[in-house]
Amino acid sequence: TQLLEQSPQFLSIQEGENLTVYCNSSSVFSSLQWYRQEPGEGPVLLVTVVTGGEVKKLKRLTFQFGDARKDSSLHITAAQPGDTGLYLCAGGGGGSNYKLTFGKGTLLTVNP
Amino acid sequence: DTAVSQTPKYLVTQMGNDKSIKCEQNLGHDTMYWYKQDSKKFLKIMFSYNNKELIINETVPNRFSPKSPDKAHLNLHINSLELGDSAVYFCASSQDRPPPSYNEQFFGPGTRLTVL
Repeated sequence: TQLLEQSPQFLSIQEGENLTVYCNSSSVFSSLQWYRQEPGEGPVLLVTVVTGGEVKKLKRLTFQFGDARKDSSLHITAAQPGDTGLYLCAGGGGGSNYKLTFGKGTLLTVNP
Repeated sequence: DTAVSQTPKYLVTQMGNDKSIKCEQNLGHDTMYWYKQDSKKFLKIMFSYNNKELIINETVPNRFSPKSPDKAHLNLHINSLELGDSAVYFCASSQDRPPPSYNEQFFGPGTRLTVL
C-alpha cells in the first residue's frame, strides 16, 4: 500500500512569512500532484511534477519533486491571506493505474 | 460553465434511509471518481469508472453502489445510511489521453452528507 505523509499537519503564519510543506513516501510515484482546497469547495489542481529533481514555479509557489520521485515539497514565499487553505499532495502510479494516493493534507492559515 | 457538478450540495437524512448523489462532468473526460473526505479532511478514493466500466472499487461497504449511465455521469447510491457515513463526498473526473496521462483530477464542489 502506497502512503504519503504530509507535514506539518497544521501551519499558522503571519502575512509575509515564508513556509515549506513536505510530502514524503517510501514508494516511487510516476507523478506528484499538489492541490489546494478552500472551505466548502473541492480541491483544485495547482501543479504536476513528473521528473526526479524537477522544480516548477507558480508565482510565489515553488514545487520540487525529489530525485528519487518519492518526495516533494511546496514552498510559498511571502505568504498572503489568499493562500489560506488545505494543501494536498497526491501520488500517481501513471499509465493505466488511475488511482491517486492522497496525503492527509496541510491546513495553512495566513493571518493578515 | 461548471466543469464537474454535483447534486445535492447538502443532504441531511435519518439513519436507515436510502439516498443518492448525482455527478455530471462536461469536460469530455473518460474517467470519473467518487471520493470520501472525513472530518479530518482525509480524502479517500471509493470508486472509479472509465468509459462506464468500473476500474477502482476500494474497500467500501456494499451499501454503496455507484452507477455510470454514460461517461459524463456517475451517481452514488447509499442504502441503509449509518452515522459513520456522514462526510463530504466528492466527484472528480480525469482525462486519460494523450499518453502519458497523470490522471489529474477535476473535482466537483462536494456533497455534505449528514446522517442523524
